[in-house]
Amino acid sequence: DAGVIQSPRHEVTEMGQEVTLRCKPISGHNSLFWYRQTMMRGLELLIYFNNNVPIDDSGMPEDRFSAKMPNASFSTLKIQPSEPRDSAVYFCASSLGTRDRGADTQYFGPGTRLTVL
Amino acid sequence: EDQVTQSPEALRLQEGESSSLNCSYTVSGLRGLFWYRQDPGKGPEFLFTLYSAGEEKEKERLKATLTKKESFLHITAPKPEDSATYLCAVSPSDGSARQLTFGSGTQLTVLP
Repeated sequence: DAGVIQSPRHEVTEMGQEVTLRCKPISGHNSLFWYRQTMMRGLELLIYFNNNVPIDDSGMPEDRFSAKMPNASFSTLKIQPSEPRDSAVYFCASSLGTRDRGADTQYFGPGTRLTVL
Repeated sequence: EDQVTQSPEALRLQEGESSSLNCSYTVSGLRGLFWYRQDPGKGPEFLFTLYSAGEEKEKERLKATLTKKESFLHITAPKPEDSATYLCAVSPSDGSARQLTFGSGTQLTVLP
């Protein structure tokens, strides 16, 4: 079975440019999560969706960040304009998202390493 | 606010030297406690979920246990391939919450 798919795996851009990260969750999963990981702050939840609807975006650092989930099999995280402090590894994860025991286990993608120069 | 604290931050073991990693948590109500393994350059890989105090789960050389305040990941006779960062996370029992709160991880190095 295919796991969570993310693209690109690496992105190098210059300050001020728009960056779009993409994620395809595991088929049948209803919840999707975007995380950012840095050495200083560890793994931080940015936003999560349930049934394609954003539920909690309190972790989004500022208005430069936006996320969409137009359908059950695709989500994007956009940074516009990008800044050097946005450099991090961005992970997408998905879970079944039901109330059943085990349904909140999250499965992570390989991540996108973003470098903003 | 949910909190997860992992200790030690880093641990170096000789191959075959058993040890334990600790995860202390504060949560209003625990729905589940999760252990993940993360290798450099990769996403966290799910290992275990524990739901109630006294529960134990095993996988190869790893055994996870849970009390009302903490969880331990016991590593028996580790091998160099067990070297990774081990992350602990909790899911609250709040009906509306599905997100996990992660600890900062324990970086384990097993020397041959």
